[in-house]
Amino acid sequence: GAGVSQSPRYKVTKRGQDVTLRCDPISSHATLYWYQQALGQGPEFLTYFNYEAQPDKSGLPSDRFSAERPEGSISTLTIQRTEQRDSAMYRCASSLRLAGGPYAGELFFGEGSRLTVL
Amino acid sequence: GESVGLHLPTLSVQEGDNSIINCAYSNSASDYFIWYKQESGKGPQFIIDIRSNMDKRQGQRVTVLLNKTVKHLSLQIAATQPGDSAVYFCAGRGGSYIPTFGRGTSLIVHP
Repeated sequence: GAGVSQSPRYKVTKRGQDVTLRCDPISSHATLYWYQQALGQGPEFLTYFNYEAQPDKSGLPSDRFSAERPEGSISTLTIQRTEQRDSAMYRCASSLRLAGGPYAGELFFGEGSRLTVL
Repeated sequence: GESVGLHLPTLSVQEGDNSIINCAYSNSASDYFIWYKQESGKGPQFIIDIRSNMDKRQGQRVTVLLNKTVKHLSLQIAATQPGDSAVYFCAGRGGSYIPTFGRGTSLIVHP
């Protein structure tokens, strides 16, 4: 697509429910990142994919968080048994070049999915 | 890892003035830095980048300066306009090559 598309834009859920967020990156881009952004803060790294491979999950806050990119394009971020502290903006970004190496370039961000856990 | 931080949470300037936004980083092995602009309700957008083998890079109305001795970089915006009002983030990249963002500086441009 022309840009990075995320859905839903807004999600309100009750504590304990599972949520799944979706990201559709720029079609030619090899790498997809997930970041979490709290209000007034910079984006914090969660995980990334080079195509369908997920070399780094070190930023995922707990084992309730998981991400997939099974065919190397669209990705989902799932949060199980949501807690109020999970409330944040979740941002997806894609990059033309492979991440994890010296030639990775700029990130193109989507507009984010704002999650509110009641 | 990499840790980046911005010096001031808010910067207010008059339209037409030059703006300087500062950022410090912790990892002397960081090889690449990017400045992003985030307008209200939108995702961060690339402005300019610089590699560690450079100390200055210029774009349209923007200049990034890198001082590796004190691990500091700055973004200079010439003739600041109301459309420049946004939150600005610097992002560094350490050994993992994953961009790490600072907290951001909110630039407010007064007409």
